[in-house]
Amino acid sequence: GQNIDQPTEMTATEGAIVQINCTYQTSGFNGLFWYQQHAGEAPTFLSYNVLDGLEEKGRFSSFLSRSKGYSYLLLKELQMKDSASYLCAVRDWDDYKLSFGAGTTVTVRA
Amino acid sequence: GAVVSQHPSRVICKSGTSVKIECRSLDFQATTMFWYRQFPKQSLMLMATSNEGSKATYEQGVEKDKFLINHASLTLSTLTVTSAHPEDSSFYICSALQGADNSPLHFGNGTRLTVT
Repeated sequence: GQNIDQPTEMTATEGAIVQINCTYQTSGFNGLFWYQQHAGEAPTFLSYNVLDGLEEKGRFSSFLSRSKGYSYLLLKELQMKDSASYLCAVRDWDDYKLSFGAGTTVTVRA
Repeated sequence: GAVVSQHPSRVICKSGTSVKIECRSLDFQATTMFWYRQFPKQSLMLMATSNEGSKATYEQGVEKDKFLINHASLTLSTLTVTSAHPEDSSFYICSALQGADNSPLHFGNGTRLTVT
């Protein structure tokens, strides 16, 4: 199974940058995903890393270090609509199951 | 992009009754679908893995006789909550795997179940 840790809450100012860290321990790693979830809605896919390094997608970037069991999601030029929960999820090698961290609630203030 | 449709989006039922939730992949075939449950302010917890044409695989602690899963076709999986109780009230979300390797899970919009 997986043990996935991420901070519970973060607050940042509109226009700023926020970095959400995620550490994991897994018996079989087959990719790390970041999802955004607004209250009462289903998660939406943000990014995917399977190799070490940085993946950039517009205002969002995600980094992975497999040797350290570590990833982060970087949100730039924060907007009010970015206030949401951000979920780190690790996929298992054998059966493609996704295990989720508890989520980080990001609050963007004006 | 891949679309997963989940129905109903919201349901209220009385204690002791059964509720069926449908999950459909609209523009791709999903050999594997996953059912998650999410309680308020908590993360998604995997309940079971549903494979087309075979029995579902349930996670530890999930009662298979209470949460019946059927994956009759490559585009449809159903979750039936039998003899529902108030503690079953939760947000149920299905997801479908499109292909493998780099494919992310695509989620349905979720079903808010309230058992009175």
